[in-house]
Amino acid sequence: EPEVTQTPSHQVTQMGQEVILRCVPISNHLYFYWYRQILGQKVEFLVSFYNNEISEKSEIFDDQFSVERPDGSNFTLKIRSTKLEDSAMYFCASSERSKGTPFFGPGTRLTVL
Amino acid sequence: SQKIEQNSEALNIQEGKTATLTCNYTNYSPAYLQWYRQDPGRGPVFLLLIRENEKEKRKERLKVTFDTTLKQSLFHITASQPADSATYLCALDLNYGGATNKLIFGTGTLLAVQP
Repeated sequence: EPEVTQTPSHQVTQMGQEVILRCVPISNHLYFYWYRQILGQKVEFLVSFYNNEISEKSEIFDDQFSVERPDGSNFTLKIRSTKLEDSAMYFCASSERSKGTPFFGPGTRLTVL
Repeated sequence: SQKIEQNSEALNIQEGKTATLTCNYTNYSPAYLQWYRQDPGRGPVFLLLIRENEKEKRKERLKVTFDTTLKQSLFHITASQPADSATYLCALDLNYGGATNKLIFGTGTLLAVQP
């Protein structure tokens, strides 16, 4: 069964450093998402992406964050200057159609020291 | 703004019993509501979606109801098994009319099924 994959599974970084989290969505899916979950808290929407542009973003998704689909298979989330409070699980998701059910990846655990 | 509340942080039941989890929302009724399962350290896995014009939806041992008057959805697992132990999340789409989802999730209910 096709699935969303994410790399790395765990990323440790120093505060102020840039990180790039990578995702490979399901191949025939056109809509892509990033969510995050701070330990012990709710899963929170960050951004949705379609047709090579951001469709929606939350107030969490400020200028420190950016997303990109650099090629036909990868979807990335970049955090330019990480803060301690960026430590969380970051989940990539994709859906086949508009408003389709998103399929989530296993997540990348980001730890900012 | 729309908020979701799920009952009790944890629910312990005996194997074979029916687990009932509650999701309440505060504002306008969404076009649909979704339930997900999340295992520790993993991403949410979609289980069921119920639309505002549907009272009930079933899938194998799972049943979801949707009461727009009470602003509530109930999620039932019948004949529960230890393998059903996980956190169950309720989610709504905030992006009415948009092309993409913008889900808000509840905090989840941790279900523990004792053998």
